[in-house]
Amino acid sequence: KAGVTQTPRYLIKTRGQQVTLSCSPISGHRSVSWYQQTPGQGLQFLFEYFSETQRNKGNFPGRFSGRQFSNSRSEMNVSTLELGDSALYLCASSWGQGTYEQYFGPGTRLTVT
Amino acid sequence: AQTVTQSQPEMSVQEAETVTLSCTYDTSESDYYLFWYKQPPSRQMILVIRQEAYKQQNATENRFSVNFQKAAKSFSLKISDSQLGDAAMYFCAYRQPHTGANSKLTFGKGITLSVRP
Repeated sequence: KAGVTQTPRYLIKTRGQQVTLSCSPISGHRSVSWYQQTPGQGLQFLFEYFSETQRNKGNFPGRFSGRQFSNSRSEMNVSTLELGDSALYLCASSWGQGTYEQYFGPGTRLTVT
Repeated sequence: AQTVTQSQPEMSVQEAETVTLSCTYDTSESDYYLFWYKQPPSRQMILVIRQEAYKQQNATENRFSVNFQKAAKSFSLKISDSQLGDAAMYFCAYRQPHTGANSKLTFGKGITLSVRP
């Protein structure tokens, strides 16, 4: 069974632009969560989607948004990029809500200049 | 709010030796799950082992085992017969099993493990 895939793997954007990251979960998994990883803040939860609905949201500004499609694929969008948004963005999938095992993708490395 | 603390930022172990990585957590819940994730230089986060709080028996997965002390809120990872491929950053994580605001994974800051040949 294929693992979680994320595209693109690397991205360079300019401050003020917007970006969309994509995540395809493991086949059969219906829940997708997003995390931001930075050297200073570590791993922080962004949001969780299940059956196309956002079920859970972390403490991030409204510039961070996401959605989930009927095939469970998910996208996250960051508008008006700031230098501090430079990070590794990790997507994790699990079979269902409240299911305790999350499987992570390789991440998207976003650099904002 | 739940917190996870990994107080040792770095550790080193000789190949074939045993090493223990420490983790403490804080929660007022009685039912929850604990995990150790490994993140090698490739950045892919890999689930190493999980522990359900209601189980008294410590989880084991091949060379990896945990020492779960619920009363002390301690969850350490023991790696036996360390191999060069074990070199990575290790994260301790906490999650409640039900849905809602606390269903997210809360991670510690991580510990970088190096393995000396």
